[in-house]
Parts: sequence; C-alpha cells; structure tokens
Amino acid sequence: TQLLEQSPQFLSIQEGENLTVYCNSSSVFSSLQWYRQEPGEGPVLLVTVVTGGEVKKLKRLTFQFGDARKDSSLHITAAQPGDTGLYLCAGEDNYGQNFVFGPGTRLSVLP
Amino acid sequence: DTGVSQNPRHKITKRGQNVTFRCDPISEHNRLYWYRQTLGQGPEFLTYFQNEAQLEKSRLLSDRFSAERPKGSFSTLEIQRTEQGDSAMYLCASSSSMNTEAFFGQGTRLTVV
Repeated sequence: TQLLEQSPQFLSIQEGENLTVYCNSSSVFSSLQWYRQEPGEGPVLLVTVVTGGEVKKLKRLTFQFGDARKDSSLHITAAQPGDTGLYLCAGEDNYGQNFVFGPGTRLSVLP
Repeated sequence: DTGVSQNPRHKITKRGQNVTFRCDPISEHNRLYWYRQTLGQGPEFLTYFQNEAQLEKSRLLSDRFSAERPKGSFSTLEIQRTEQGDSAMYLCASSSSMNTEAFFGQGTRLTVV
C-alpha cells in the first residue's frame, strides 16, 4: 500500500511569514497533486507535479517534486489569512486506479 | 459544465435509515471516485468507476455500502442501515483517463443521529 505522510500536522503563523509544508512517501509516485480544502467544502486542486525535480509556482506558492518522485514540498511566501485551510497532497497509485491522500497540514494564518 | 456536483450538500438521518447521495461528474470525465473524509483526516478512498464499470472497492466499503454508475455519467452512493460511525463528509471526484488530475465536488456531509 502506498502511503503519504505530511508534516507538520498543524501550523499557526502570523500574516507575512513564510512557511514550508512537506509530503513524503517511501513509494515512487508518477505524479503528486496538492489541494487546499476549506471547512465544509471539497478539496480544490492547486497544482500537479510530474517530473522529478520539477518546480512550479502559483503566485506566492512554490511547489517542488523530489528528484526521486517520493516527496514534495509546498512553500508559501508572505502568508495571508486567505491561505488558511487544510493542505492535502495526493498521488495516483501505481496501478493508475485511484488517488492516495496524505492526512493534510492544517494551516492557520493569523492577521 | 462548471465542475463536479454533489447532492445533497447535507443529510441528517436517524440510525438504521438508508441514504443515497448523487454525484454528477465533469461531463467529459470517464473516471469517477468516491471518498470519505472524517474530521481532521485526509480523504479515504472508497470506490472507483471507469465509465460504468466499478473497477475497485476499498476494504472500507462494507456490504452496507453500494455505488452505481449505470450509464457512465452520474453516480449514486447508497448506505443501508446507517450507523453513527458513517457520519462523515462523502466526496466525489472525477478525472479523465488522459489526465492525472482529479477534481472534487463540494461533498455531502452526512450526520447519523
């Protein structure tokens, strides 16, 4: 079974600070997705990384896929209260049948 | 087509009752997934369809749960004889077999009292 771990589990920071959250696995994934989820809503896709070592930027968010395609990171610069939410990473299993999710990092950005 | 649609958004039911949820995927997507999410956890995979064929079911899916996608378009998830432990957010997602990205609906929040 392919498992994804995320750290930290919880993170509370002040507006304007930078942060990095991590997604790790002992398994290789063909791609990883990052989602943000707000309370009572479904996850919203932020980005997909496919190539080992790939870096993608989405405004203040920078996503990196590890060279071995076993891990990924999400860096947020100058966090804003609107960034508050549950950040989930997910990977397509090796059979291409379904998506495996990590437990998420719950981020709270205080004004 | 604006995305994946789930109905109802919220459902409160008494223990022992049956409930059915509906998911309408993005129209050109042939893959459809059901997930369950409890508070503080990531989504847990329940089942997966490619077109009308149910290709995989999680061991989490007890025999009280059944899912269908009769025409390869919308899907329903039925829970029979609901238990309090079934209380959760039930999420539906769809994707294209040509693409690794899954898009989620807003979920159905089930509360069993």
